[in-house]
Amino acid sequence: AQKVTQAQTEISVVEKEDVTLDCVYETRDTTYYLFWYKQPPSGELVFLIRRNSFDEQNEISGRYSWNFQKSTSSFNFTITASQVVDSAVYFCALSRTQGGSEKLVFGKGTKLTVNP
Amino acid sequence: GAGVSQSPSNKVTEKGKDVELRCDPISGHTALYWYRQRLGQGLEFLIYFQGNSAPDKSGLPSDRFSAERTGESVSTLTIQRTQQEDSAVYLCASSSRAVAGVSGELFFGEGSRLTVL
Repeated sequence: AQKVTQAQTEISVVEKEDVTLDCVYETRDTTYYLFWYKQPPSGELVFLIRRNSFDEQNEISGRYSWNFQKSTSSFNFTITASQVVDSAVYFCALSRTQGGSEKLVFGKGTKLTVNP
Repeated sequence: GAGVSQSPSNKVTEKGKDVELRCDPISGHTALYWYRQRLGQGLEFLIYFQGNSAPDKSGLPSDRFSAERTGESVSTLTIQRTQQEDSAVYLCASSSRAVAGVSGELFFGEGSRLTVL
């Protein structure tokens, strides 16, 4: 069975601090995708990144970076120099790429509050 | 339209009544998903449609829940005899599959907030 665990329920930081959101996943699939989504207070989920299980290169996009480690089944997300606008709930998700259903399994989310 | 459209955005109903929620996916997207998000909780998978394949209904919580989709267009999620525990935001998402077996990015609608009194 597939499972995503986001152990941090809530995190609170002060603006300009760096913050890392943890994501640990379980799957028996050999090929799969990992995702991060952001859900701001407005409610609509926004796609941030998709990572194929064969690509373990870390990725950086502006202040955002992702660390994918297959050995520990983790896909952590770091925000550098956090800003108030980063305040949101962040969801990590996992999907299979082999045949059959491709439903995304989501973690329970981490609520990030960035205080001025 | 440009994005995934859901209606109604808000629905208040009495316990025992049936409700119907609608999702208009992005044109050309073959995959459509329904998720449920209870207050302060994560996303709970309900059902997945992919083209003309049989839908994956494994997440539907009870036989009071059903969903339909005609081809690659609109989908309707129906909840019969609503209960208070059905109160949640129901999110619809769609995605394209450029290559078979490759998961595409999901585009979410703003959700339909259901309150069962």
